[in-house]
Amino acid sequence: SQTIHQWPATLVQPVGSPLSLECTVEGTSNPNLYWYRQAAGRGLQLLFYSVGIGQISSEVPQNLSASRPQDRQFILSSKKLLLSDSGFYLCAWSVTGFDQPQHFGDGTRLSIL
Amino acid sequence: RKEVEQDPGPFNVPEGATVAFNCTYSNSASQSFFWYRQDCRKEPKLLMSVYSSGNEDGRFTAQLNRASQYISLLIRDSKLSDSATYLCVVEGGSYIPTFGRGTSLIVHP
Repeated sequence: SQTIHQWPATLVQPVGSPLSLECTVEGTSNPNLYWYRQAAGRGLQLLFYSVGIGQISSEVPQNLSASRPQDRQFILSSKKLLLSDSGFYLCAWSVTGFDQPQHFGDGTRLSIL
Repeated sequence: RKEVEQDPGPFNVPEGATVAFNCTYSNSASQSFFWYRQDCRKEPKLLMSVYSSGNEDGRFTAQLNRASQYISLLIRDSKLSDSATYLCVVEGGSYIPTFGRGTSLIVHP
């Protein structure tokens, strides 16, 4: 069966520090991969998605970036975090192709001080 | 107009009650529909897909009305553990699903 791992679960970072969140999927090949952010009490905001290695689409301009160095690995990064980057970050995968349901990792709760 | 709209609630119901949520969508070309459940401070989890003919999974029934462009989720015999936020998701021939903001359900004793 397929599993998705996301870490760390919680993170407290100072303003201006770098960020690296990692997500890996097991048990499937060539998945679609997604990064979302959810602010407290708000809906899901799609940040990036990827349909293949090295292919990244950005949905919202910001100081974040994403990379997919391997088929089942998706990384969210920032060189300098802002206070507004606080939130609940979720990685998700779906079977390759259109209109497939997504499956989420446990999420990373990021607090910027 | 938002692409996917849900009543945020909260819906406050007693145990054993039947409750229904609707979710309207604006893209008539939408192809796939899903309901997710999200517990407080947790990730969304797929609850069920929504098929054109309607489908049932235990106490949960999902229906699609293409003419009026909405999907619904019916929960029968509500349990305390059903308390959560229910998100509807609409997909229409792309890699990007559209999530609703969610409907909060509180089931009380």
